[in-house]
Amino acid sequence: GAGVSQSPSNKVTEKGKDVELRCDPISGHTALYWYRQRLGQGLEFLIYFQGNSAPDKSGLPSDRFSAERTGESVSTLTIQRTQQEDSAVYLCASSFAEQFFGPGTRLTVL
Amino acid sequence: AQSVSQHNHHVILSEAASLELGCNYSYGGTVNLFWYVQYPGQHLQLLLKYFSGDPLVKGIKGFEAEFIKSKFSFNLRKPSVQWSDTAEYFCAVKGGSQGNLIFGKGTKLSVKP
Repeated sequence: GAGVSQSPSNKVTEKGKDVELRCDPISGHTALYWYRQRLGQGLEFLIYFQGNSAPDKSGLPSDRFSAERTGESVSTLTIQRTQQEDSAVYLCASSFAEQFFGPGTRLTVL
Repeated sequence: AQSVSQHNHHVILSEAASLELGCNYSYGGTVNLFWYVQYPGQHLQLLLKYFSGDPLVKGIKGFEAEFIKSKFSFNLRKPSVQWSDTAEYFCAVKGGSQGNLIFGKGTKLSVKP
């Protein structure tokens, strides 16, 4: 596609529920990143996939967060047992040299 | 740990004023430096980047940034802002073997017509 796409664009969920966020990277981009942007804050790195290498999970805030990517295609970020502090915009970026960002998924946990 | 500092949280300017947004980073090795912009209701877009070579980098929409290694700085400049430059600006650094970007907290720019 022309750019990075993410779905859903908005997600409202109840505390304790699991959510799954999807990212479709730009075709041919070997690297894929997930970031989180909380209100009034900069972007916080979550996880990074590079090709078939083991992902860099060093930014995941807790074991409730996990992500998968098959090959160089779609990635899903899963948040289990959501908490109110998980409310944020979750951004995906893909990269060959520089990072291109998707529009984000705005997650609201009630 | 690497970090990026953006000195101004919110800058308010009138049209035609000159702009300089500060950015300092902490990593001492070779770095790649970026400025991203987020217009209201839109997603992050790359404004300009520095990988190597000429430390004065030209970006889109008349923006430029200067990499000063001795000061660990990568300040963003524009000689004359327009109302359409109203947005949030993020400085980011990628250093060493890390794959991800480290972002500053962003500077919100409001340009009064």
